[in-house]
Parts: sequence; C-alpha cells; structure tokens
Amino acid sequence: EVQLVESGGGLVKPGGSLRLSCAASGFTFSSYSMNWVRQAPGKGLEWVSSISSSSSYIYYADSVKGRFTISRDNAKNSLYLQMNSLRAEDTAVYYCARDDSEWGYFDYWGQGTLVTVSS
Amino acid sequence: QSVLTQPPSVSGAPGQRVTISCTGSSSNIGAGYDVHWYQQLPGTAPKLLIYGNSNRPSGVPDRFSGSKSGTSASLAITGLQAEDEADYYCQSYDSSLSGSSVFGTGTKVTVL
Repeated sequence: EVQLVESGGGLVKPGGSLRLSCAASGFTFSSYSMNWVRQAPGKGLEWVSSISSSSSYIYYADSVKGRFTISRDNAKNSLYLQMNSLRAEDTAVYYCARDDSEWGYFDYWGQGTLVTVSS
Repeated sequence: QSVLTQPPSVSGAPGQRVTISCTGSSSNIGAGYDVHWYQQLPGTAPKLLIYGNSNRPSGVPDRFSGSKSGTSASLAITGLQAEDEADYYCQSYDSSLSGSSVFGTGTKVTVL
C-alpha cells in the first residue's frame, strides 16, 4: 500500500524557517517524481514545487522561488521542503504528492502538515 | 491567481446530473496538455478522480466522467449522491510557467 506521511509543520514567526519531510513507503520511491502542494485555510490548491526521480529537474512556483528548496533522499525514501523567509501568506496545509511522470497527475497524496506563520 | 477557472459552486438534487467546467487558455488546456480532476472531501487530502481528460482510476464510480475540448474541460457527475458533496479541482500544465502544474480555482458541489 502506497503511503506518504508528512511531518515538520508547526508555528513559526515571519522571516523564520521550517523543514518539512515526507516519508514514502509501499512503492519504489526512486522511480517517481514528487511534488509539494499547499492549501491555505479555506482556499484552493496551489502547486508549490516538483522534483524528478533523480533530482535532475526541479521546479518552483513563482510565489516561493528563491525562498523554498525541494530535495529528496532516495536511500531514505524521503522528500523534503526547506522553507526560508516565511511569510504570513505561506500559512497552509502542505501536502506531498506522487507524480505520474508520464501523464502529470498526482495519484497519491499524504494527509498534509499544517504550517502557520504568525507573530 | 490560478490560470484555470472553475465556477465557485454548483448544486443538484440527488439523482441529478451536474457539470463543472474548467476554462484555460492556449498555454495550458488549449496547448493540448492533459486535464486531471480531484475530489476533496471535507478535512481530507485530495483524491484523484479523473486522469488524462477522461480516464477513471480503479475504484472511481462510472458516475464520474471527464471531457476536454479546445481550451476547456468538464467534469460530469451523473446520479448525484450525498457522498459526492465535496470540492473538485482540475489540474493541468502551463507552458508559460516553467515546469508548473496548475490547479483550477475549485468548485464546491452541494447536494440539495
């Protein structure tokens, strides 16, 4: 059974940093691109970042470019999101999602981890 | 600001048919990129509902169907049921935003 479990969320002050993790199991993690998608309270889904299976290709939404860094450790079956210079508008539930690289859809999602940026 | 526009809400009585539109442009849906649909029940993570414009993953009832034409796509729910009350999002790729997946603005389906 495919499982994605996010962790690392919490309360952080504006300008602060946080590192999210996503532990994957039940599939060959090193064969899939992965993504972070966020959802602000009461709002819609926003794609944040993606990373290819071997980390060769990395992309970011303009809203987080230069502040967030996506990475992965295939030996540990883990995906990460380093978030720096956090702003109030980064407050959201952050989901990791597996990418079907051929079609571009997200077939499995984690349960999400809440990041709150507030003083 | 999403580049894929959906109606904020649609509603229908049990058993009725409802449709949700997803309107894009020549840099996303109109460029030939596939459209995918997700269902998000309250308090839960999104779930893949339709992929590749019209394909249903295993386990998704055939009451859900998708289509695409020009710069738009649609999700139809026939025989609406109470458990279909949820938020629905379309997703595609946009060539004007390098490497970007894009989601629609989302539609709340209410079963009357």
